[in-house]
Amino acid sequence: DAGITQSPRHKVTETGTPVTLRCHQTENHRYMYWYRQDPGHGLRLIHYSYGVKDTDKGEVSDGYSVSRSKTEDFLLTLESATSSQTSVYFCAISESSRNTEAFFGQGTRLTVV
Amino acid sequence: KNEVEQSPQNLTAQEGEFITINCSYSVGISALHWLQQHPGGGIVSLFMLSSGKKKHGRLIATINIQEKHSSLHITASHPRDSAVYICAVGGGADGLTFGKGTHLIIQP
Repeated sequence: DAGITQSPRHKVTETGTPVTLRCHQTENHRYMYWYRQDPGHGLRLIHYSYGVKDTDKGEVSDGYSVSRSKTEDFLLTLESATSSQTSVYFCAISESSRNTEAFFGQGTRLTVV
Repeated sequence: KNEVEQSPQNLTAQEGEFITINCSYSVGISALHWLQQHPGGGIVSLFMLSSGKKKHGRLIATINIQEKHSSLHITASHPRDSAVYICAVGGGADGLTFGKGTHLIIQP
């Protein structure tokens, strides 16, 4: 199994509070991604990173920010959590952008009450 | 933006049956991925393919680039195959585009 760890695995937070999710990899892969998974929508890209300090927005980036200060860590921050951000969040990594396998973390279930 | 459609959305079958899940996409791609997700679990990559056919145990994946279509087959299905199967296409550095998944239940 690829070395990719998400933390926390579960979190309940209140509306308006900041939340940070962490993705840690031991594979030294260049590309890292944050997705959210919601019923009826499947997985959708929030933000991605193509190197240290190099990040870009995905399809559903509003209300989220990311940072990547080290190759191994990719942080997703909800500056002020809303109920619409209740979801399961998955981190993924890949060695290059094309024609390479993607590896996924175990997911973080976030509930905003 | 690539549109990825899977069929069927839900499938219930008896143990031992041959299973086929279909995936079609709208824009030409360099690779297609089949993923598996068990209830409450993480996502595991089953196959990545850009042409032809791949086989791993009882799982077979095929792709027809000209038709923009891929199929995932499970032979001699077993209750442990019960999961959500997700098709995804890779468009470049900006990640994968996913289908909504096929919920498969194999009854003993």
